[in-house]
Amino acid sequence: DQQVKQNSPSLSVQEGRISILNCDYTNSMFDYFLWYKKYPAEGPTFLISISSIKDKNEDGRFTVFLNKSAKHLSLHIVPSQPGDSAVYFCAASAAGGTSYGKLTFGQGTILTVHP
Amino acid sequence: DTGVSQDPRHKITKRGQNVTFRCDPISEHNRLYWYRQTLGQGPEFLTYFQNEAQLEKSRLLSDRFSAERPKGSFSTLEIQRTEQGDSAMYLCASSFVTSSNTGELFFGEGSRLTVL
Repeated sequence: DQQVKQNSPSLSVQEGRISILNCDYTNSMFDYFLWYKKYPAEGPTFLISISSIKDKNEDGRFTVFLNKSAKHLSLHIVPSQPGDSAVYFCAASAAGGTSYGKLTFGQGTILTVHP
Repeated sequence: DTGVSQDPRHKITKRGQNVTFRCDPISEHNRLYWYRQTLGQGPEFLTYFQNEAQLEKSRLLSDRFSAERPKGSFSTLEIQRTEQGDSAMYLCASSFVTSSNTGELFFGEGSRLTVL
């Protein structure tokens, strides 16, 4: 069963506009959520995270929103740049020291930002 | 370069052969993880080490798979009697986890396995 789902396989956005990537999860034990970005032939790179005690976390152009009741999170990129074109993975982990790093990933969303 | 390094980057082998991958984590990190990624999917957790102790193994890790981290530094992942279904990208990651931080993972570039 897919505990973390990214239902949009791809997203195409114009440079300068907002990119919104969505993620849904089913496991109520998840309480820490992360977004990773992956370029071809490279490993995933950490982008931004959020704990379940928050509903928003911001880092420069990147903002992650968490709606616990809906088990939904989203990543907003404003403004989008061509260099943001990559595969974005949503990931989640449960609470507790032994669970950190044991991530459950979504399938990924391919973001393409057109100049 | 002080990131996570993996070797080899790409391995092509015939079904039934054994393969071994090596991972060198970021030196001050106390945790090391192995993940597997197949085409069109996100990475899937396989196992992790806290220093030299292997603390958890996924059900995905069959008896043909074995991982070691003998001195709490580098790690090896061995697959015996490879099958075509083992073809995937094997990702290593490391982190520094304490009671007060969450230890985001730093991934290597991966070792791609192709089983013919």
